[in-house]
Amino acid sequence: DAKTTQPPSMDCAEGRAANLPCNHSTISGNEYVYWYRQIHSQGPQYIIHGLKNNETNEMASLIITEDRKSSTLILPHATLRDTAVYYCIVRSNNDMRFGAGTRLTVKP
Amino acid sequence: NAGVTQTPKFQVLKTGQSMTLQCAQDMNHEYMSWYRQDPGMGLRLIHYSVGAGITDQGEVPNGYNVSRSTTEDFPLRLLSAAPSQTSVYFCASRLRAGRNQPQHFGDGTRLSIL
Repeated sequence: DAKTTQPPSMDCAEGRAANLPCNHSTISGNEYVYWYRQIHSQGPQYIIHGLKNNETNEMASLIITEDRKSSTLILPHATLRDTAVYYCIVRSNNDMRFGAGTRLTVKP
Repeated sequence: NAGVTQTPKFQVLKTGQSMTLQCAQDMNHEYMSWYRQDPGMGLRLIHYSVGAGITDQGEVPNGYNVSRSTTEDFPLRLLSAAPSQTSVYFCASRLRAGRNQPQHFGDGTRLSIL
């Protein structure tokens, strides 16, 4: 699986969009980009995933660059409850390798 | 809508004791896996199973055993607990093996070994 690079922490104002970047410059053609988040010490929560097209669901949008070397997770209207560690994962097989993620703090 | 259920939620063991962490899912998922998470770190894969009767090792399998006799259950056994196994353990499942399947996680078992 390709490695990912994420900033260790980010802040966002409540009600504003949170844009979380992820670099995966060594991604190969059959690897998907997944985003999970972990609130406090709960189990990771699936957010969204994609291969090469942009994706949107009720939680977030995923924007993948045309060369697939980076992506951005967008939380359109961040709330205090979105404060969590966000993990960007690139996966091609059964394994799912979690890095350290980005700690997003939503501030009032 | 139980999803992935882990028991117990908390456990304290003495060094050398054995125990089994339970994991059950009610979504008829073929693929199940166990992770551990140490403080300030991401999750690391211990063992996984692509279906009943089939298990394989992940990134950090030493000191742990698994079995998969049914689709629903995937217990993790610590044969002789060591302080280095103090961690939070998460069980996960997904519909089937393959890269286009999101995983669903349980709420974790917090294990301390004295």
